[in-house]
Amino acid sequence: NAGVMQNPRHLVRRRGQEARLRCSPMKGHSHVYWYRQLPEEGLKFMVYLQKENIIDESGMPKERFSAEFPKEGPSILRIQQVVRGDSAAYFCASSSGAGADLLAGETQYFGPGTRLLVL
Amino acid sequence: AQSVSQHNHHVILSEAASLELGCNYSYGGTVNLFWYVQYPGQHLQLLLKYFSGDPLVKGIKGFEAEFIKSKFSFNLRKPSVQWSDTAEYFCAVTSDTNAGKSTFGDGTTLTVKP
Repeated sequence: NAGVMQNPRHLVRRRGQEARLRCSPMKGHSHVYWYRQLPEEGLKFMVYLQKENIIDESGMPKERFSAEFPKEGPSILRIQQVVRGDSAAYFCASSSGAGADLLAGETQYFGPGTRLLVL
Repeated sequence: AQSVSQHNHHVILSEAASLELGCNYSYGGTVNLFWYVQYPGQHLQLLLKYFSGDPLVKGIKGFEAEFIKSKFSFNLRKPSVQWSDTAEYFCAVTSDTNAGKSTFGDGTTLTVKP
């Protein structure tokens, strides 16, 4: 009964390169959330996706960042032309969606995170 | 916009001491409240959550939290900490206007000295 899987666990990129972070939700979960944790800070919401749909991307930077959750395969968070300020831990969480939304009593289950370092 | 404030950035305790970590949120509507723990090098784990009902919530590993609506607070407590409780603790809230995402506090680092 695997939990939320993220890979890679650590990713090193040089400025200007692209970073692709993957998240496989728990079995049976169709809702995925991405959060970013900067050093010495809490998690900040980035984007909420359901299969093939972006539900809320209010926390996503307007440029260089994109996310998808295709019908098949993992959710991908893509960062183009990375800069040093993108260095952070990126966490993915999933929920079943059975309660329609988090307020109906759902719990998010978090993955181990991807630690991105931009040199 | 909702926000979450954790008062203590770093707490240092000796084993067997009692713990209380403060958490206040700013939102007047219906909320769900969570405490997560992040052990060094590991991912977030849910300690406990409040959705409705009894405002005193018991979680795993002997932790509990009390939701006081009038104070917009959800403080985490443990009567007697252990060295293995050394970790970072995050309070989080979801609300009826932000369903689908959690707002986290900046975290409290707890160090328990043996």
